[in-house]
Parts: sequence; structure tokens; C-alpha cells
Amino acid sequence: DAGVIQSPRHEVTEMGQEVTLRCKPISGHNSLFWYRQTMMRGLELLIYFNNNVPIDDSGMPEDRFSAKMPNASFSTLKIQPSEPRDSAVYFCASSPGGGQYTDTQYFGPGTRLTVL
Amino acid sequence: AQTVTQSQPEMSVQEAETVTLSCTYDTSENNYYLFWYKQPPSRQMILVIRQEAYKQQNATENRFSVNFQKAAKSFSLKISDSQLGDTAMYFCAFMKPSGTYKYIFGTGTRLKVLA
Repeated sequence: DAGVIQSPRHEVTEMGQEVTLRCKPISGHNSLFWYRQTMMRGLELLIYFNNNVPIDDSGMPEDRFSAKMPNASFSTLKIQPSEPRDSAVYFCASSPGGGQYTDTQYFGPGTRLTVL
Repeated sequence: AQTVTQSQPEMSVQEAETVTLSCTYDTSENNYYLFWYKQPPSRQMILVIRQEAYKQQNATENRFSVNFQKAAKSFSLKISDSQLGDTAMYFCAFMKPSGTYKYIFGTGTRLKVLA
């Protein structure tokens, strides 16, 4: 199994630009999570999908952030317009959502975003 | 609301020695899951060990074991025979197995293994 795949691994952009982060969950997993990690705030859950449906987006910081999951194998997190305070590492994670290991989340390698 | 506390921001241990990382949590739930994740400098989050609250037996994975004390709401991680590759941030996480399957993470403990 390839694990959770995220792209790009690194993104450098200028303030005001649109940024799109991509995630491919583990095949067969039906729950997907987007996290943001910063030194100041640690790991924050931004949004959670189950069976492609957003279940909890209470962690999304503001309207500049949006996430979609058009099918079971792909999700995007978009920031428009980006700001320097959005600089962070963004993780995608997936979990089986059923069976013995419903609970365990498997993380992708993360995308390091730098907004200048 | 559930909370997870890791009271040791940084720790160090000599190679081949044993170290214990602390984690406490607060919940009114009876059934839940607990996890330890490792984040090495590569920043990949790697699952180290998981524990189901209804199981009294402490989980073990090779050199990693936990001391789960449900009444005290404590979930410490013991690393035996520490290796240089164990140098990482370690995060404790709590999950209630119903509803949204959201993790509550602690703030992490930075562990450095010294040669």
C-alpha cells in the first residue's frame, strides 16, 4: 500500500495568491482529515470527511479556506487569498472508518507551505 | 470536553537506556482509544502504539510499551533500549470512538537520544 499521498511537498507562494493542496487517502479508507501544524498552535484539525461528505469543519480558520472531496480517492484544501500567517505544515490523514481499526489515522508526509 | 496534557516539553536519554514519556487526559467517557505518534525530523507522523480503554492489558510494540492507568487517566510511553532513530517529537492523542472519530492531541514531547 502506498500510504497517504500529498502534493506538493513544499509550496512557496506570495501573499494574495491561491494555494491548492492535494491528498490521496489510502485505498478503502472512508474517513479523511486535514490538519495544520504550527509551532504556536501545534496540531489543529481543520476539517473531517466521512464517505466524501464534510462532517466537521469547525476548525477551518476562515472563509479563505475551503476543502473538497469529490470522490473517495482525492481531496483538496484551498486557500484563497493566502496570507503569511497561513505558513505551516498541512497534513492529510485517512482512517478505515469501519472494522477493527476504525480509529487509527494514517498520516501523509505533509505539505510545508510558506507564504511570503 | 476532552483534553490531553503532555507535561514534558523536552527530554533526553542516553542511547540504550530507557525513557518514559508522560501523558494525562481528561474525559468523562468510559470507552475510548489512546495513541502515541512519533514525528521525526522528516516530519512524517508515524503511529507508535494504540490502546483501547476497555482492555486492561498494556499495549506493547517491540521496544515501545505503555503504562495505561484508566482510573488515574494516565497513558505513559516507555521506550526501552533507546536508539538514535527514536529522536523525534512524540504526541499523545485521545479519541472517542463514536461520532466524528476526531483526535485530541497533546502538545508533544521532544525526545533527543544521545550517543
